[in-house]
Amino acid sequence: EVQLVESGGGSVQPGGSLRLSCAASGFTFSSYTMSWVRQTPGKGLELVSYIYSSSGTIKYADSVKGRFTISRDNAKNSLYLQMNSLRAEDTAVYYCAREARLAYWGQGTLVTVSS
Amino acid sequence: DVVMTQSPLSLPVTLGQPASISCRSSQGLVYSDGDTYLNWFQQRPGQSPRRLIYKVSNRDSGVPDRFSGSGSGTDFTLKISRVEAEDVGVYYCMQGTHWPYTFGQGTKLEIK
Repeated sequence: EVQLVESGGGSVQPGGSLRLSCAASGFTFSSYTMSWVRQTPGKGLELVSYIYSSSGTIKYADSVKGRFTISRDNAKNSLYLQMNSLRAEDTAVYYCAREARLAYWGQGTLVTVSS
Repeated sequence: DVVMTQSPLSLPVTLGQPASISCRSSQGLVYSDGDTYLNWFQQRPGQSPRRLIYKVSNRDSGVPDRFSGSGSGTDFTLKISRVEAEDVGVYYCMQGTHWPYTFGQGTKLEIK
C-alpha cells in the first residue's frame, strides 16, 4: 500500500524558514517523480514543485521560485521542501504526492506564517 | 497559465440520481506525446484529495465504475451515474499538460 507521511509543518514568522519532509513507503520511491502541492481556502490547490526520480528535472511555481527548494534522498525514501523567506500567503496545508500528476497524496501538514 | 473553469460550483443531488461536472480549459490539453493530461480529484470532508480519473477517462484503482470521465480539446466532464452518500465532497479537475499545472476552483457536491 502506498503511504506518504508529511512532517515539519508549524508556525513561523514572516521571513522565517521551515523544512518539510515526506516519508514514502509501499512503492519503489526511486522510480517516481514526486511533488509538493498546497491548499488554501482562498486560492485552492496549487502544485508548488515537482522533482524527477533522479533529481534531473525540477519545476517550481512562480510563486515560490527562488524561495523554496525541493530535494529527495532515494536511499531514505524521502522527499523534502526547504521553504525560506516565508510570507503570509504561503500559509497552507502542504501535501506530498506521488508523480507530477498526483496519483497518491499524503495527509498533509499545516504551515502557518504569521507575526 | 492555463485557467481551468468548473461548473457548477455547487451541486445538490438526490441520492441515486446522476451528477455531472464540467471543466473547461483556456487552452487545449494535448501533450506532445499525444496524450491529454486531464485529471479529476475527489476531496471528502476532512480528507486529502484522491485522484479518481487520469488522462480524461481512465479510472484509478479502486474507483467505483459509477464515476466516468470524458471530453476532448478544452471541454471535459466528470459523471457520477448514481450518487451515493460517500460521494459528498469537493471535486477538482486539473490539467497536467502545460506547466504550471493548474486546478479548477472545485465543485461542492452535497446531498439534497
